[in-house]
Formats: sequence, C-alpha cells, structure tokens
Amino acid sequence: NAGVTQTPKFRILKIGQSMTLQCTQDMNHNYMYWYRQDPGMGLKLIYYSVGAGITDKGEVPNGYNVSRSTTEDFPLRLELAAPSQTSVYFCASRSEAGRAVNEQFFGPGTRLTVL
Amino acid sequence: AQKVTQAQTEISVVEKEDVTLDCVYETRDTTYYLFWYKQPPSGELVFLIRRNSFDEQNEISGRYSWNFQKSTSSFNFTITASQVVDSAVYFCALSLDTGRRALTFGSGTRLQVQP
Repeated sequence: NAGVTQTPKFRILKIGQSMTLQCTQDMNHNYMYWYRQDPGMGLKLIYYSVGAGITDKGEVPNGYNVSRSTTEDFPLRLELAAPSQTSVYFCASRSEAGRAVNEQFFGPGTRLTVL
Repeated sequence: AQKVTQAQTEISVVEKEDVTLDCVYETRDTTYYLFWYKQPPSGELVFLIRRNSFDEQNEISGRYSWNFQKSTSSFNFTITASQVVDSAVYFCALSLDTGRRALTFGSGTRLQVQP
C-alpha cells in the first residue's frame, strides 16, 4: 500500500509555463483533494472530487484545472504559471469507512516555485 | 462557513516542559470532525488525532492529550514533557459530515523545543 503519491517533489517554472502535478492513491477512496500551503499558513482547498468524473472548485481555484478519469488519479493542471502560485501543493484522499473513517491521507507534497 | 483559529503563532519551550496548543473553531453544523496534524521540518503532514462532535471525551496517547470542549468550541492539544523531536508546526483542522467534506485548517502553531 503506497497510500497517496505525488510527483514531482520539486519544480521550478518560469512565468507563463504550464505543468501538471500528478497524484495517485491506491486505497480506492472516492474523495480526493488538492490543497496549497503558502509560507506560514494553513492549507487551502483548490479543487476536490467525490468520484471519477466529478470535480468541483474549492476556495482558491483560479489558475488551476483538474480532471478525474479514474478513481486512482487526480492530476492538477497549472496553466500560465504566475509567481502567486509559488507554494507547496498537497494531494489527499479521504477514507469513508473503517477505523480511519473521515481521515484524510496526504501525499508528501510538491514544492513549486514560479520565477 | 467554517473557521479554525490558532492564535499562537509560535511557542518556544525548553525540553521536558509541558505545552498546550490552542484551537478554537466555528461552525453552524452539529456534526463535524476535528483533527490535529503535525508538520515536521521535512514538510509532510502527520495525522495525530480525529475527534467527532458527539464525543467530548478527552484522549490521551502517550505524552499527547487532547481536550475537546463544545461549550467553548475548543480542541486544545497538550504535549507533556516535551522533547526536541516535538519541534514542528501543528495544525488544527475541521471537516463537516456533508458536502465536500474537505478540511478547513488553522494557520498553524510553530513549536520549538530547545534542548
């Protein structure tokens, strides 16, 4: 059980470039989330998904897009990167049953710098 | 909308001191979940505890204990006999049992334990 995996771990982008942050979970969770963590702050919700084919915006969706074609994968796309998107990005999935019900499992994060 | 407040930005203690991290939350829902996460310098998020709104029993796990008081909307975290390895940023978070079920995070408390 790998849990939630994210790639890449680090990335530097130039202003205007695009990239996709990958997220995969092997726990068969329906709920998945993307959060960003700015320096000295808590995490804020970018997008979430309640199952394959269903996604919706969180608090800070501008400049991002997501897709969910399978239960396992939930990639986050940055179009036209801006310095304001410099942050650490965390992907998470939520358990709906068992002892860990309602617990969110987090990936290790992707540290993104936009210059 | 939900809100989580961690008023203590940074706390510094000497090893073996006890320390309490405060967390105050706001929600109109009657069913919700409260969490504490630890973020060590390596950056990952480590789950510490989950508590649902119907369970006000305090919990102890080794040197860690949590005090949940609905009357004051607080969910405080105490570390007894702190150790250098406890140095980290600690986040309190809340999720509802409906809708997106995402986590709303506080801004975190940085704990530094000096040897």
